[in-house]
Amino acid sequence: NAGVMQNPRHLVRRRGQEARLRCSPMKGHSHVYWYRQLPEEGLKFMVYLQKENIIDESGMPKERFSAEFPKEGPSILRIQQVVRGDSAAYFCASSPYLSGQETQYFGPGTRLLVL
Amino acid sequence: KQEVTQIPAALSVPEGENLVLNCSFTDSAIYNLQWFRQDPGKGLTSLLLIQSSQREQTSGRLNASLDKSSGRSTLYIAASQPGDSATYLCAVRRGSSNTGKLIFGQGTTLQVKP
Repeated sequence: NAGVMQNPRHLVRRRGQEARLRCSPMKGHSHVYWYRQLPEEGLKFMVYLQKENIIDESGMPKERFSAEFPKEGPSILRIQQVVRGDSAAYFCASSPYLSGQETQYFGPGTRLLVL
Repeated sequence: KQEVTQIPAALSVPEGENLVLNCSFTDSAIYNLQWFRQDPGKGLTSLLLIQSSQREQTSGRLNASLDKSSGRSTLYIAASQPGDSATYLCAVRRGSSNTGKLIFGQGTTLQVKP
């Protein structure tokens, strides 16, 4: 059973471009979480999705950021018109269900650099 | 608002020492608490998960305790090794039924010297 997969692992964008980050959860997992780790800061929750539904987006900036987890395919975190402050490591995690007893399994992250 | 704090921010010890990492949280209404390890440039590896009803969990040389009423958790590492060098993160899951989001501390960066 492969772990959580994220691609690309590294992404370089110029200001104003779009960034698309992909996350494939572990097999059988239907819950996906996105976290962001800014330089010299801790991980911050962004959004929690189940298949075709956004459950909690309380940590996601209101503008330029969006996330989806379609019925088929990976979860996508999309950042439009990137700015230098978006440079960070973006981590995806997945879990099989929401019972309070499960752990979240993290992917290797995508390191976004905005020039 | 839940806040998670980890002390110390950095720690350097000689190989073989036993050590304790500390984590505190402001809201005792949690579902569980997890300890993770993060190596430079890598993702997070879950070490131990303690449910709110539990007092401790053990895995090999690691032991994590939880005192929910006082808002504290400790991660005890016995007989430290250079391979234990990493950043250790503590995270709590809020006691809410509709979200599984984790709230992380800033981490403790551990260096174990040979």
